Amino acid sequence: EDQVTQSPEALRLQEGESSSLNCSYTVSGLRGLFWYRQDPGKGPEFLFTLYSAGEEKEKERLKATLTKKESFLHITAPKPEDSATYLCAVQDNYGQNFVFGPGTRLSVLP
Amino acid sequence: DAGVIQSPRHEVTEMGQEVTLRCKPISGHDYLFWYRQTMMRGLELLIYFNNNVPIDDSGMPEDRFSAKMPNASFSTLKIQPSEPRDSAVYFCASSPFDTQYFGPGTRLTVL
Repeated sequence: EDQVTQSPEALRLQEGESSSLNCSYTVSGLRGLFWYRQDPGKGPEFLFTLYSAGEEKEKERLKATLTKKESFLHITAPKPEDSATYLCAVQDNYGQNFVFGPGTRLSVLP
Repeated sequence: DAGVIQSPRHEVTEMGQEVTLRCKPISGHDYLFWYRQTMMRGLELLIYFNNNVPIDDSGMPEDRFSAKMPNASFSTLKIQPSEPRDSAVYFCASSPFDTQYFGPGTRLTVL
């Protein structure tokens, strides 16, 4: 059974204090790993898709990386507007099913 | 494109009543997903469709839940009868192949 865990559960950073969020996964055959951002009262918003180990994607202050067992979302010099819950999901090779992790709740203080 | 549209945005009902949630996916997307999100269980996939055909409904919790997709631009999720434990935010998402795009959700409260 596919499984996704995320750590930490919650993270508080000062503005400008860089850090990383972790997503560990177990999947029989990885088709893709996805990162989403979710603001309170809204649906998850797509950020990145990673397909193979060693792949990296960047968008503004965010960079996502992928290994065979985990993915990291690196946040460089975060701003208060980066505060949100960050969700990781995996899709296996056998279908369209997504398995989501529980998320990391990020708070960036000014 | 307006993105995935869901209605209603909020629904408050009493136990035993029928509830119908609606979704309009992004045009051209072949896949449609229904999710439920709670604090305790996070985001759970209930069912997904490919070209209007239900493919996997193993996440549907009970026979009280049913979903239909009569055409490429409309889907419904129905709960009959509703129970307080069904209270959650229900999301619809559509996808062209892999990346899923979520709607704003329907917050359901069953009293």
